[in-house]
Amino acid sequence: DAKTTQPNSMESNEEEPVHLPCNHSTISGTDYIHWYRQLPSQGPEYVIHGLTSNVNNRMASLAIAEDRKSSTLILHRATLRDAAVYYCILLTQGGSEKLVFGKGTKLTVNP
Amino acid sequence: NAGVMQNPRHLVRRRGQEARLRCSPMKGHSHVYWYRQLPEEGLKFMVYLQKENIIDESGMPKERFSAEFPKEGPSILRIQQVVRGDSAAYFCASSLRTVSYEQYFGPGTRLTVT
Repeated sequence: DAKTTQPNSMESNEEEPVHLPCNHSTISGTDYIHWYRQLPSQGPEYVIHGLTSNVNNRMASLAIAEDRKSSTLILHRATLRDAAVYYCILLTQGGSEKLVFGKGTKLTVNP
Repeated sequence: NAGVMQNPRHLVRRRGQEARLRCSPMKGHSHVYWYRQLPEEGLKFMVYLQKENIIDESGMPKERFSAEFPKEGPSILRIQQVVRGDSAAYFCASSLRTVSYEQYFGPGTRLTVT
């Protein structure tokens, strides 16, 4: 599975936007970009995914660079409940189904 | 629509006992995955099952661990002769396996071996 690189930690203030970056320079054409998050003492939670185009859902937006070597997860208005570890994961279409979690980015949201 | 259910939520076993962890996938999901999170470590894939079949067990320890997903009933992760190093949070996820591969996780079972 292709690897991703994320900052270890980021900090934000409540009600401000948050941009969480992810580098995946060895991404292949059939790799989907997935984001999950894990709140303290809970199971991981699916956030969003995309292939080439930017994506929006009720939780977040995903901005994918034109060359697909990087992406950014955007939380439009951070809340205290968004404090979690965010994981950027590549999944190869038709490949292994397993999620390979790295260390992720620990997001702290200040009130 | 109930999410992924896992039970028990907390399990305490003495060294040498067996641990059985259960996972009921979301309604309509026939793909189940088990992950383990050791204390202060990241999540690691263990096994991927479809109904009555093991598809990928590349993350399962070779000894003492087994998993099944029968035609009827929940998926079971079984750990025989538990050791202290098995103490961890075990998460189950399920997927509908359409185009998008989204996995939905349960709350986990926290196993403590004394």
